[in-house]
Amino acid sequence: GAGVSQTPSNKVTEKGKYVELRCDPISGHTALYWYRQSLGQGPEFLIYFQGTGAADDSGLPNDRFFAVRPEGSVSTLKIQRTERGDSAVYLCASSETPGVEDTQYFGPGTRLTVL
Amino acid sequence: KQEVTQIPAALSVPEGENLVLNCSFTDSAIYNLQWFRQDPGKGLTSLLLIQSSQREQTSGRLNASLDKSSGRSTLYIAASQPGDSATYLCAVRDSSASKIIFGSGTRLSIRP
Repeated sequence: GAGVSQTPSNKVTEKGKYVELRCDPISGHTALYWYRQSLGQGPEFLIYFQGTGAADDSGLPNDRFFAVRPEGSVSTLKIQRTERGDSAVYLCASSETPGVEDTQYFGPGTRLTVL
Repeated sequence: KQEVTQIPAALSVPEGENLVLNCSFTDSAIYNLQWFRQDPGKGLTSLLLIQSSQREQTSGRLNASLDKSSGRSTLYIAASQPGDSATYLCAVRDSSASKIIFGSGTRLSIRP
């Protein structure tokens, strides 16, 4: 595709529910990143994939958060037992090859609201 | 632990002025530094990326400098225009080329 896409654009759920957020990176980009952004703050790093594997998941806040990228392209961020504090905009970015061409291209984000 | 700070948090200037946005980071062992622009309700757009071995990068009216030893970067915007109004974020990639840490951004408003 022309850019990074994320679905859904908005997600409203109730406390305790499970949600999945999807990211489609730019075709051919090997690196994929997830961030979350709260109002008035910069994006907070969650996890970085190089290919199919998580190269760095140190930003995941707790074990309710999990992300996969089984075929090295599309990624899904999964949040179990959602809490009101999980409400934020979840951003995905991809880059061609870290260390060679590292410019990140961001998607428009998924706004998650936990009631 | 790497921390990234951007000062000022907000800035309002009249159209046509040259301006400088500041970014500082606590750990000088970085892989690269990137400046982004974010418009309200939108994702981020990359403006400039500076590798750790570089001192500056230029694109049009934008110039970004990097002083790794002092933990500082500046984004210089020449001849500002109302269309430059946005939030500007800097982000550093750690030396292991994995985690990326963002500052909180500078909200820039250019008055016509």
